[in-house]
Amino acid sequence: QITLKESGPTVVKPTQTLTLTCSFSGFSLSTRGVGVGWIRQPPGKALEWLATIYWDDDKRYSPSLETRLTISKDTSKNQVVLTLANVDPVDTATYFCARYASSGFLSWFDTWGQGFLVTVAS
Amino acid sequence: DIQMTQSPSSLSASVGDRVTITCRTSQNIANYLNWYQQKPGKAPKLLISGASSLQIGVPSRFSGSGSGTDFTLIIRGLQPDDFATYYCQQTYSDVFTFGQGTKLEIK
Repeated sequence: QITLKESGPTVVKPTQTLTLTCSFSGFSLSTRGVGVGWIRQPPGKALEWLATIYWDDDKRYSPSLETRLTISKDTSKNQVVLTLANVDPVDTATYFCARYASSGFLSWFDTWGQGFLVTVAS
Repeated sequence: DIQMTQSPSSLSASVGDRVTITCRTSQNIANYLNWYQQKPGKAPKLLISGASSLQIGVPSRFSGSGSGTDFTLIIRGLQPDDFATYYCQQTYSDVFTFGQGTKLEIK
């Protein structure tokens, strides 16, 4: 059974750096074709993809947030960490991590964490 | 970035109805298109990958079609459990994008 769970601070002050951890089980991030992505959703709004890290440590970021985002993995701990620097109240959102899977050239997020609400406020 | 435009943004329907949700992309993405269902307070659930491949366990009343820039999600015989928000997502580019969502409400 594949599970993912997000954790981190529930409240962050403006200008601080947000660090979120995705702890997962049931798969390995060293398996070819596998990755973990981060997606966020401001209250009442749509999903926004943030970043994906792949089995080979390749990384991709949303261009609008690339200068503020860093994604990394610890394969031995089955964890992926996302940092978002210089946060602002507009970064208030539920943050999801999800398993990236692929078959041939097609890919998708097939299993998601429950989500973690982060509020940016002073 | 590849832009995604879903329509309608909201939709009212009755149990038993057939509904169609469309997703249009700003450039040709072949069939690199996924559909997700999200219920309030829950994580999205993958319904369809590769534009038309139904995930295991997803009821056959859901179907997806399309290629290139125009895609469709059809739900035949709406059930009470289907009232949710639906998102399309492209993975043609390494910079993934989601549509803005279609909220399906009970009439």
